[in-house]
Order: sequence, then C-alpha cells, then structure tokens
Amino acid sequence: DAGVIQSPRHEVTEMGQEVTLRCKPISGHDYLFWYRQTMMRGLELLIYFNNNVPIDDSGMPEDRFSAKMPNASFSTLKIQPSEPRDSAVYFCASSLFIYTDTQYFGPGTRLTVL
Amino acid sequence: SQQGEEDPQALSIQEGENATMNCSYKTSINNLQWYRQNSGRGLVHLILIRSNEREKHSGRLRVTLDTSKKSSSLLITASRAADTASYFCATGNQGAQKLVFGQGTRLTINP
Repeated sequence: DAGVIQSPRHEVTEMGQEVTLRCKPISGHDYLFWYRQTMMRGLELLIYFNNNVPIDDSGMPEDRFSAKMPNASFSTLKIQPSEPRDSAVYFCASSLFIYTDTQYFGPGTRLTVL
Repeated sequence: SQQGEEDPQALSIQEGENATMNCSYKTSINNLQWYRQNSGRGLVHLILIRSNEREKHSGRLRVTLDTSKKSSSLLITASRAADTASYFCATGNQGAQKLVFGQGTRLTINP
C-alpha cells in the first residue's frame, strides 16, 4: 500500500480564500483522523471518522472548518474563509481501530495563509 | 486536555550516547504508543506497549511502562545522527475513545 496520501503538500493562499485539503487513507482502515500541528499548540486532533461517519468533531476550531468523507477512500478538510491564524501543517492519519492500534500519518499539508 | 506530557522538551546528546525520554499521563490507559517525527514529515509509529506490559524492545529502542506511576520512558541506545527528530508519546484509553498525543521531545544527536 502507498500509505496515507495527502494533497496538496504545500498551499499558499490569501486571507478570505477557500482552502480544501485532501486525504486518501490506507485501504481497509476504518478510522480517519485530521490533525493540525503548530509550534504554539502542538498536535491537535480536529475530527475523526469511523466508516465514513464523523464521530468526534470537538476539536474543529470554528464553523469556518468543515470535513467530509464521502467514501472510504477519500476525505476533505475545508476552511472557508481562511485566516492567517489557520497557517499550520495539517495531517491526515488512518488506523484499523480507534485507540488500540497504530495510526499511520500522511506527509502533511503545509498551509500558509497570507 | 493533554494526556501525555513528555520530559524533557528538548535533549541534545553526542552520537553513540543513549537518549532517554519520559512521558507522564493522568488517567488509566489501555496502551501507550511512541511516535517519531522527522523535520517536515508526518509521525511514524515506533512501538506500542499495553497496560499489562512493563517493558518492550524493538531494535535499539526500549520502552518501559509503570502504570502505578503513570509514566513511560523511551530509551534509544547507541544514538545516531539519523535519530534526530521529535518523539511523541500517545495514550489510548477507552474513556477518551481516541489517542491523545503529548507535546513531544525534540532530540538532537550531535556528530
């Protein structure tokens, strides 16, 4: 398997623009996670899905953030409108089980909002 | 709330020396995992230790778990320059229904 795939790897946008991050989890994994990493806050769990259904979105910072998983092989994280404080590295991860198993991380998307 | 807290926040040693990082947590756990993150990359799983285990080895890595003290340690023996990275502990418990990551220890191996 190719591992978790994220696109784009880098995104530079201007404040107010819509940003869409994409993730393809490892085939067969039932859980998909979106994380955000910054120097100030460290690694934060934003939302996770089980079998394409959002289970816990308590980490989503604001209504400007939304995530979808239309099928088992694809998920998106959207920020609309984007703000400079959204600048961070966003990781997608997947696993077979929720907390008793290894999480496999993608390479991340480095987002810069000017 | 943050479950795992790593100590120290940063560690710098000479190549060939052993590196020890610690992780403390607050609630009962099902398992504790260690991950490595190289600069600009995603996290990579290193080792998982279950709550009924006390020690686990994987190559040059040794992990211990003391559930009475709610702490774990990661020992890297005979360090190499390639071990330079940030190391995170993550705790899994049924109550939280997710893995909770600590802030990480930044390890630098000097040649």
